[in-house]
Amino acid sequence: GEDVEQSLFLSVREGDSSVINCTYTDSSSTYLYWYKQEPGAGLQLLTYIFSNMDMKQDQRLTVLLNKKDKHLSLRIADTQTGDSAIYFCAESSDSSYKLIFGSGTRLLVRP
Amino acid sequence: DAGVIQSPRHEVTEMGQEVTLRCKPISGHNSLFWYRQTMMRGLELLIYFNNNVPIDDSGMPEDRFSAKMPNASFSTLKIQPSEPRDSAVYFCASSWDRGSGANVLTFGAGSRLTVL
Repeated sequence: GEDVEQSLFLSVREGDSSVINCTYTDSSSTYLYWYKQEPGAGLQLLTYIFSNMDMKQDQRLTVLLNKKDKHLSLRIADTQTGDSAIYFCAESSDSSYKLIFGSGTRLLVRP
Repeated sequence: DAGVIQSPRHEVTEMGQEVTLRCKPISGHNSLFWYRQTMMRGLELLIYFNNNVPIDDSGMPEDRFSAKMPNASFSTLKIQPSEPRDSAVYFCASSWDRGSGANVLTFGAGSRLTVL
């Protein structure tokens, strides 16, 4: 079945870059998403990428997709303490309502 | 738009009691989802509505759980009777599903349920 895996925890120093990784198994995945969850809040969409793209950049965020290896990463440049949160990777197929979420990566930014 | 509105934000109840969680989706969205989040199981899709009709309820744990969407602006998730293992954060999310393309969900802030 479909599966999305992420490492559980990442700690970085303020000002450094963070790279959060994700792997997925469904070869029919068409859209890959990154969501952010702050304490006590719901998930907030950060960005998503279509599977025919290799890279997408949005301000401090860079998404890289290696479709051959089914590997997705989220790079946050100049990480700030406000970036501390749980980051979820998710995938869906075209015309599918169902998002398959990973277990989330908790990012801790140290001052 | 105020986003997806959920109530209550926190609920503490005793085992055996009925619990009703409420959701107001974003106006104009035609799809609504109920998710449950726990440390052990992560995010689980419980049920999905499209145009107020339940399409996929395969994630609903058991008959104690039921969900309704009487109109496009309101949905409920009911647990009766509640059990301690139902303790979790329940999220409602909505989206505009045009049948293809990315499915961009907007989540509510969640309802944290504690069953004693």
